[in-house]
Amino acid sequence: QKEVEQNSGPLSVPEGAIASLNCTYSDRGSQSFFWYRQYSGKSPELIMSIYSNGDKEDGRFTAQLNKASQYVSLLIRDSQPSDSATYLCAVNPAGKTSYDKVIFGPGTSLSVIP
Amino acid sequence: AAGVIQSPRHLIKEKRETATLKCYPIPRHDTVYWYQQGPGQDPQFLISFYEKMQSDKGSIPDRFSAQQFSDYHSELNMSSLELGDSALYFCASSSGRGQFFGPGTRLTVL
Repeated sequence: QKEVEQNSGPLSVPEGAIASLNCTYSDRGSQSFFWYRQYSGKSPELIMSIYSNGDKEDGRFTAQLNKASQYVSLLIRDSQPSDSATYLCAVNPAGKTSYDKVIFGPGTSLSVIP
Repeated sequence: AAGVIQSPRHLIKEKRETATLKCYPIPRHDTVYWYQQGPGQDPQFLISFYEKMQSDKGSIPDRFSAQQFSDYHSELNMSSLELGDSALYFCASSSGRGQFFGPGTRLTVL
């Protein structure tokens, strides 16, 4: 079992719809969770971080964390074609020596259809 | 805002040659991470440095070494290059609020 799992996709949604991206992790002691967006051939871009259970909203993005279920998700409202990218879930493992060390999931490819 | 700087952006080498990749973190970031990303893969953690000391080691081959200097810039040294080393190499820096990635160096080994 991989430490961080995501559906590889591709996930296709029509423009203006809500895109829902899911991530599960195996390390129950994980404390910090991040979502990165990566366009093809470009570097990952940090778009959301979440540390406690519940929802965190930033513009069109909402991250949701449920530590009991070891589940973190990212909702993108009013999806735009420019949101088409690979979304990487990253989890800070327990027992880390660096506060920001993360394990990346395999990424979910999102395609927003105009 | 200042971002992570990596050089060179592109590098072409022959098998068995050596390569040096450089990373300049965001000012006041104390931690640097190196990743390797092959086509269609997620970034694979290689090594990290905190305050100029190695803090974590991932799947870094013995042929690779890295260090962080007094000005916090870091260098990844790769020797005896193999075809399989062709990939995007990212550097990221952080200060406790998540990692911020540089644009990457695309290494091609012929």
